[in-house]
Amino acid sequence: EIVMTQSPATLSVSPGEPATLSCRASQRVSTKLAWYQQRPGQAPRLLIYGASTRATGVPARFSGSGSGTEFTLTISSLQSEDFAVYYCQQYHYWPPYTFGQGTKLEIK
Amino acid sequence: QVHLVQSGAEVKKPGASMKVSCKVSGYTFSNSALHWLRLAPGQRLEWMGWINAGNGNTKYSNKFQDRVTITWDTSATTAHMELSTLRPEDTAMYYCAKWAIFEEVIIPGAFDPWGQGTPVTVSS
Repeated sequence: EIVMTQSPATLSVSPGEPATLSCRASQRVSTKLAWYQQRPGQAPRLLIYGASTRATGVPARFSGSGSGTEFTLTISSLQSEDFAVYYCQQYHYWPPYTFGQGTKLEIK
Repeated sequence: QVHLVQSGAEVKKPGASMKVSCKVSGYTFSNSALHWLRLAPGQRLEWMGWINAGNGNTKYSNKFQDRVTITWDTSATTAHMELSTLRPEDTAMYYCAKWAIFEEVIIPGAFDPWGQGTPVTVSS
C-alpha cells in the first residue's frame, strides 16, 4: 500500500499571502495525484488531478506540480474561503487508493 | 449536473450492521462506478471499495473485505454500502463518490463529486 505523507500538518498564513503544501508518496506514482479541499461541514472537493490539472471551476490561484514521489499544491494569494483542510491522494496503485493525513491551512 | 445524495445519520451499537445509501442523479449510472470512502476522527481518508455499475462487479479494500458489501439498485439509481460487525472505531463520516468526468473524459481514480456524507456513530 502506498503511504502518502503531507507536510506541514498545520500551516498558518495571512490572507493575500501565498501558501505551499507538500505531499510525498512512499513509491513513485507518476502524476496520478489528486488534491482535495475540505471545508468544515462539507465533503471533500476535487481541486487538482493529474498532479497539475485544475478541476472545472477551480480558481487559477490554485496550482499543482510534481511527479514521481514529490508533489506541491500552491495557492498564490489566499482568500478567506481557502482556509480549510487539504488532502493529497494517489491513484496510481489501487486498491486501495490512499490519502495523506491532511494539511490544515489556518488564518495567521 | 451530477448529484450524489446520501441517507441520514446512523447510531449503532457494537456488533450491529449499518447500511448507507447514495442516490445518484444527473448522469448515466450504468456507465460509471461508485466508490465508498470514510473519514474517522483523527484519521486519514480511507477508500473502502467500489462497484462497477456497468457489470455489477465490486472490489474492496483488504481492510474491509470481510465486513463490507456494496450493491446497487438500478431502478432506484441508488448504491448501498453495508458494513457489518461494527466497532467503536468505525465511527466516522461515510462518503460516496464517483470518478471525475471532465469534458466527457473519465479520470479514473480522482473523485468528483462526493455525496454530502453520512455520519455514523458506533457506541454502546
